[in-house]
Amino acid sequence: AQKVTQAQTEISVVEKEDVTLDCVYETRDTTYYLFWYKQPPSGELVFLIRRNSFDEQNEISGRYSWNFQKSTSSFNFTITASQVVDSAVYFCALSESPTSNTGKLIFGQGTTLQVKP
Amino acid sequence: NAGVTQTPKFRVLKTGQSMTLLCAQDMNHEYMYWYRQDPGMGLRLIHYSVGEGTTAKGEVPDGYNVSRLKKQNFLLGLESAAPSQTSVYFCASSYGGRGTEAFFGQGTRLTVV
Repeated sequence: AQKVTQAQTEISVVEKEDVTLDCVYETRDTTYYLFWYKQPPSGELVFLIRRNSFDEQNEISGRYSWNFQKSTSSFNFTITASQVVDSAVYFCALSESPTSNTGKLIFGQGTTLQVKP
Repeated sequence: NAGVTQTPKFRVLKTGQSMTLLCAQDMNHEYMYWYRQDPGMGLRLIHYSVGEGTTAKGEVPDGYNVSRLKKQNFLLGLESAAPSQTSVYFCASSYGGRGTEAFFGQGTRLTVV
């Protein structure tokens, strides 16, 4: 069965600190996709990144970076020099089995990040 | 550019009442989804649709029904609300299936008393 685990329920940092959000996934599929979404206090989910299982290159986008390691089934998310605006709930998600093509996502429990000024 | 719009934003129901949540998307997406978000459990899929006129059950479908009569709309119905259905409901849509990003609405906060 597919599963996503975000073991960190809540993280609190002071502005300008670096912070890493962990994501561990389980799947028997060889082809799969991983996602990160941000849920700010306003409530909507905002897409941050998608990574497919064949691309283990790390990704950097401004202060955000992602580390994908198939050997440890992890897709961790790092925010460098955190800002108050980064305060949100962050979700890691896994695409469903390739035997269907429905676009269903399996979400982790979410990590609440609080960045204090 | 509205994206995905959910109606209503908030609602309080009494146990046993019924209601319909409306989701509308203006991106011409084929795929639409209803998720519920509960503390400590992330988002769980209730029902989904891979095209106009189609619906299918997700992970937690009991107590809910859906309809997709028009491509742009996806309705979620609660026939007889229960306190266990107190949650935040999110509608999402995507242009393709597996591997494509989903666009989410702002959510509906439902409380059943």
